[in-house]
Amino acid sequence: DAKTTQPNSMESNEEEPVHLPCNHSTISGTDYIHWYRQLPSQGPEYVIHGLTSNVNNRMASLAIAEDRKSSTLILHRATLRDAAVYYCILRAVNMNYGGATNKLIFGTGTLLAVQP
Amino acid sequence: NAGVTQTPKFRVLKTGQSMTLLCAQDMNHEYMYWYRQDPGMGLRLIHYSVGEGTTAKGEVPDGYNVSRLKKQNFLLGLESAAPSQTSVYFCASSYSDLTSGETQYFGPGTRLLVL
Repeated sequence: DAKTTQPNSMESNEEEPVHLPCNHSTISGTDYIHWYRQLPSQGPEYVIHGLTSNVNNRMASLAIAEDRKSSTLILHRATLRDAAVYYCILRAVNMNYGGATNKLIFGTGTLLAVQP
Repeated sequence: NAGVTQTPKFRVLKTGQSMTLLCAQDMNHEYMYWYRQDPGMGLRLIHYSVGEGTTAKGEVPDGYNVSRLKKQNFLLGLESAAPSQTSVYFCASSYSDLTSGETQYFGPGTRLLVL
């Protein structure tokens, strides 16, 4: 399974942009890059995903390197509510029991602290 | 639309006891998953289901059983609880097999303490 590498923790100031890096040098050609975040005492929530091109949504932007071996999640203006663990995840195709399903393999993520 | 709900929110068991965790989703999703999360770690997949009546093993299936008798429900059973199963359990569901990058929706979690 393809692995991702993220810094253990990062700090940001409120209302400033945050760039969360992720390395995935063993990514395969068909793997999507997913980002989830987990707020304290809650389940993970979807942030954004992409394949090759940069992506934007109301929560964040995802910048994907041309060789796809790294990506960066961009929070344009961090708020205190953005303090969470951010997971960069690649899919893993699993052919078992007569069917295919793609698992999300979570690493330990990046703990983002936002200072007022 | 409640999304993904989990019952109970918190439970304390003694070693050897059994229990069932219930996950329910009202989004008509085909795929459902059970994860566990230990302190300081990411989520690990226990079992998953690709549709009603189907189940499959994930990364850490030992000591757990699952059933998907109804499309909207996914049950996780512990037949004989062990202290090593103390964890936070998350259920998730998704429309498809993520081929197109579809997302998983997670429940709020069940905190289980095994003494």
